[in-house]
Amino acid sequence: GAVVSQHPSWVICKSGTSVKIECRSLDFQATTMFWYRQFPKQSLMLMATSNEGSKATYEQGVEKDKFLINHASLTLSTLTVTSAHPEDSSFYICSARAFTSTDTQYFGPGTRLTVL
Amino acid sequence: QKEVEQDPGPLSVPEGAIVSLNCTYSNSAFQYFMWYRQYSRKGPELLMYTYSSGNKEDGRFTAQVDKSSKYISLFIRDSQPSDSATYLCAMRSQGGSEKLVFGKGTKLTVNP
Repeated sequence: GAVVSQHPSWVICKSGTSVKIECRSLDFQATTMFWYRQFPKQSLMLMATSNEGSKATYEQGVEKDKFLINHASLTLSTLTVTSAHPEDSSFYICSARAFTSTDTQYFGPGTRLTVL
Repeated sequence: QKEVEQDPGPLSVPEGAIVSLNCTYSNSAFQYFMWYRQYSRKGPELLMYTYSSGNKEDGRFTAQVDKSSKYISLFIRDSQPSDSATYLCAMRSQGGSEKLVFGKGTKLTVNP
């Protein structure tokens, strides 16, 4: 149980284009999902908290107009990187909060974004 | 002082060794403690979840929490090459924000 998927697993795009990443909770409903960014050999950096049916809460320093988050249902959240630039290249990981016995976050497998 | 401190390693041990991974923290509001395992280019996988001081065992893994010292540990017995990964400690406070605060991760290599 508590499986989270992400799609795509990797994507290469040209500078200036937009990229959408999907995060799905497969066997549970998640009212809260989280989006992280991870640079090589570094820990996870929380970008935003996504609540179903409401606006996302962004961490300080994260541009909400650049990283658009939509949590349209209890099993799906999307992150759109708009007008991507090479410095946006990174590993993006989502997690979903599961109200199981552990009440903690379960992570997706991550999406590697490369912007040329 | 960072909220969560974790030695990034790298840590290299022979197969069968007992591995000890540790984190210290400064925020006494942290009540829930987790250990995640992350293989290269993969998302973190939850290994252990604890919310009280003491030990919790699951197979070859034992999580230990000492709230008085603000210190948590993960022990791996009979380590295997498949345990080679980065181990992240994470913690959060009770109520309020659901944000997890992560350590930097310790890279472990178990040599056959």
